[in-house]
Amino acid sequence: DVKVTQSSRYLVKRTGEKVFLECVQDMDHENMFWYRQDPGLGLRLIYFSYDVKMKEKGDIPEGYSVSREKKERFSLILESASTNQTSMYLCASSGALAEESTDTQYFGPGTRLTVL
Amino acid sequence: QKEVEQDPGPLSVPEGAIVSLNCTYSNSAFQYFMWYRQYSRKGPELLMYTYSSGNKEDGRFTAQVDKSSKYISLFIRDSQPSDSATYLCAPVSGSARQLTFGSGTQLTVLP
Repeated sequence: DVKVTQSSRYLVKRTGEKVFLECVQDMDHENMFWYRQDPGLGLRLIYFSYDVKMKEKGDIPEGYSVSREKKERFSLILESASTNQTSMYLCASSGALAEESTDTQYFGPGTRLTVL
Repeated sequence: QKEVEQDPGPLSVPEGAIVSLNCTYSNSAFQYFMWYRQYSRKGPELLMYTYSSGNKEDGRFTAQVDKSSKYISLFIRDSQPSDSATYLCAPVSGSARQLTFGSGTQLTVLP
């Protein structure tokens, strides 16, 4: 059974704190993604990675960084949390790029982060 | 203008109704089209996908794509209370293999 897990379901942090969100997948997937989801805006891609130690900026990377030291783990880092980073954060993974691949992304349950 | 536009709803229908959920898109590079379903307090899960213009059926669900008008639809027949969720359309750009999500339509099916 496909599984993507995220370290916390709910997290409350203070402005200026450094925040780590962890994501682990057990499907040996090459690709991993971080999104944030906000009402009326849908899912927006923050960063993604196609391989270990490799990262690419998504649509809204400002204020975030990522780390992928191992294939199964992809971390999202908020260097100095701000109130406008209060959101639902979703991690996803997918298999290798292929000609006829559906590139199905499998999502974790999400982390609801509140920055006070 | 967003690349993918989706009516956010909320949409409320009685059990057994036919539901139509729609998206429009502007990027001609989108090659295939996914629909995700997201239950409350859960991550999205793939419902179905289609590559080409026309219809694709899977049980009570039918995905329809009209590339000429850049319009995609998801139809749910005989809707059930268990279909209550947010539905997200997600076109895929073939070169980038990235999903571009619509904002989602929140559906409630009343028993």
